[in-house]
Amino acid sequence: KNEVEQSPQNLTAQEGEFITINCSYSVGISALHWLQQHPGGGIVSLFMLSSGKKKHGRLIATINIQEKHSSLHITASHPRDSAVYICAVKVDSNYQLIWGAGTKLIIKP
Amino acid sequence: DAGITQSPRHKVTETGTPVTLRCHQTENHRYMYWYRQDPGHGLRLIHYSYGVKDTDKGEVSDGYSVSRSKTEDFLLTLESATSSQTSVYFCAISSGKSADTGELFFGEGSRLTVL
Repeated sequence: KNEVEQSPQNLTAQEGEFITINCSYSVGISALHWLQQHPGGGIVSLFMLSSGKKKHGRLIATINIQEKHSSLHITASHPRDSAVYICAVKVDSNYQLIWGAGTKLIIKP
Repeated sequence: DAGITQSPRHKVTETGTPVTLRCHQTENHRYMYWYRQDPGHGLRLIHYSYGVKDTDKGEVSDGYSVSRSKTEDFLLTLESATSSQTSVYFCAISSGKSADTGELFFGEGSRLTVL
């Protein structure tokens, strides 16, 4: 079983829909990252969370440390949001990150 | 923007030749990472550095070596490239004072093809 599980693996939605991508982990962490990668493109950090909730524009990220779960929400989705969204956790007392497999999101106009 | 650049961005080489990829940052951050990204595997850590001359192995370090003689440069070397090392390589830095607190910034990637 992977230590970081993302769901769904693939998601196709219509423009304007509210999107939720989930990340569950099984290890003790000090931080969780959400990142975005467009096809053929670079990787951009969206959020780093250690507790609570963060918002940036139409993106919202939440984390529940007790339940070992984080969600990334996109409100009023747009075709330019089409990308792979990746969750990564920073393990306690370790320099390394454990990466989820990514969620491929396609927003249709 | 963390001022991170990778070079070369694209390289085609032959099996058995040495290859060095360079990651350069302008912000003086302590933590630097080299990842490779392959279809079906996501990002996998090759090596990382937590300071000048301080490096350690990641999960897929075989066949790779690194050096960090200056804060701003982290070099990844393939001593004798093999076809299995065909991949996209990403350098990343962590902006925090500790690896726990920093936001991640990635270079644009270096696409390496080993024939």
